[in-house]
Amino acid sequence: DQQVKQNSPSLSVQEGRISILNCDYTNSMFDYFLWYKKYPAEGPTFLISISSIKDKNEDGRFTVFLNKSAKHLSLHIVPSQPGDSAVYFCAAVEGGTSYGKLTFGQGTILTVHP
Amino acid sequence: EAGVAQSPRYKIIEKRQSVAFWCNPISGHATLYWYQQILGQGPKLLIQFQNNGVVDDSQLPKDRFSAERLKGVDSTLKIQPAKLEDSAVYLCASSSTRGGPSTDTQYFGPGTRLTVL
Repeated sequence: DQQVKQNSPSLSVQEGRISILNCDYTNSMFDYFLWYKKYPAEGPTFLISISSIKDKNEDGRFTVFLNKSAKHLSLHIVPSQPGDSAVYFCAAVEGGTSYGKLTFGQGTILTVHP
Repeated sequence: EAGVAQSPRYKIIEKRQSVAFWCNPISGHATLYWYQQILGQGPKLLIQFQNNGVVDDSQLPKDRFSAERLKGVDSTLKIQPAKLEDSAVYLCASSSTRGGPSTDTQYFGPGTRLTVL
C-alpha cells in the first residue's frame, strides 16, 4: 500500500527553466510534508517542508505547494541549475502517535541540462 | 558539526550469512532511525529509537532483523540470516527531539549498501 506516490520516475529540464516535481498521497492523517534531495552515494538531505495549515511555502528558488482537497503537493524549482540534478523524494508525517515517522515516495530523478 | 556516520559503506555477503551495520548519530541527537531503501523505492522506516528505547519497530522483520542502541548514542542493526530480498541501502538518520516535525529535521548518513548473493 503506497501511501505517498511520485508517479514520474524522471524529469529532464534545461538550465534556467522551471522544474516541477509532483507527489500524491492517500492518507488523510498526514499533516506535514517534506521534500528531500539525494545525490549518489549520499544520504537524503532536507530541502523544504510545509504544514497542512498552509498551501504554499517558499525558500529561495524552491517553492512547495499543497492542495489538500486533491491530496497533492508539488515542488517548483526556479530557475533550475545543473547542481539541482539529483533524486527528489517527497515524504509525509502523520499527526498524533506517529509524529516524526516519515513515509517516503519512490523518488523522481531530476536532470538539469546546461 | 559532524554528520551521521555509518559503516561499512559497502557489504557483500551470501544468503543465510549474518551482517551488522553501525551508526553514530549527530552529537546530542536523542532520536535515531534506521531505514531500508530498496532500489527504485523510497526509504522505509525499520525502527526508531528515542534515547535507548524503541519508539516504533512495526516494520522491522523481527524474525531476522534486530537493532540496539546502547547508552542512547551509537546503534547497530543486524540481519541474521540474510535473504536475497534484503539487498538494499540501509540508512541511519538522527534528529534532536521527538517533538514537532518543524523542529525535528532528520539528518541522514551516507548509508550502507548491502548486496546478498
